[in-house]
Amino acid sequence: KQEVTQIPAALSVPEGENLVLNCSFTDSAIYNLQWFRQDPGKGLTSLLLIQSSQREQTSGRLNASLDKSSGRSTLYIAASQPGDSATYLCAVPSSPTGANSKLTFGKGITLSVRP
Amino acid sequence: DAGVTQSPTHLIKTRGQQVTLRCSPISGHKSVSWYQQVLGQGPQFIFQYYEKEERGRGNFPDRFSARQFPNYSSELNVNALLLGDSALYLCASSLHGSSGELFFGEGSRLTVL
Repeated sequence: KQEVTQIPAALSVPEGENLVLNCSFTDSAIYNLQWFRQDPGKGLTSLLLIQSSQREQTSGRLNASLDKSSGRSTLYIAASQPGDSATYLCAVPSSPTGANSKLTFGKGITLSVRP
Repeated sequence: DAGVTQSPTHLIKTRGQQVTLRCSPISGHKSVSWYQQVLGQGPQFIFQYYEKEERGRGNFPDRFSARQFPNYSSELNVNALLLGDSALYLCASSLHGSSGELFFGEGSRLTVL
């Protein structure tokens, strides 16, 4: 059974700092990995999707990497801003072949960027 | 283009009642998935529907049911509500039934008293 872990549960950094959010998964046979952002009481916003054949994906100040063999992904946020404050979740499909959209999520990391 | 839309946004029910939540996927998307998120946890998979057929079911009791309509919109029904059903219910759509990028709605916040 796939398990996804995100540690620490919360993180507070000063504005302008570069930071890394970690995600680990127990079964390395994943189809892809997706990072989401969630503001309090809101839905999830897709940030980046990395296919299993890719090593990283970039969007603006965000860069996500994937190391299947070690069961890890990182989300790098450059020059953090107070507007980046949110909960960041990673998720992987339960099916290694990507046969359905059943995702297993981590509990998320709540990021606070101090002005 | 509109994203995934869900209704209602908030609702309050009492134990034993029934609730129906609605979801409209992104135009052109044929797959809809439902997730339950309780406070402080990641979302948990409930159902996936693709082309009006159930593609997957999570570890939820039979009180939970869903369906998808010809226009690809979907409803999630929960019968005999329990206090523990209080959660944010999220709908996600994707272009195909496989594990492509998922796009989520804002959710329906259910409170059971």
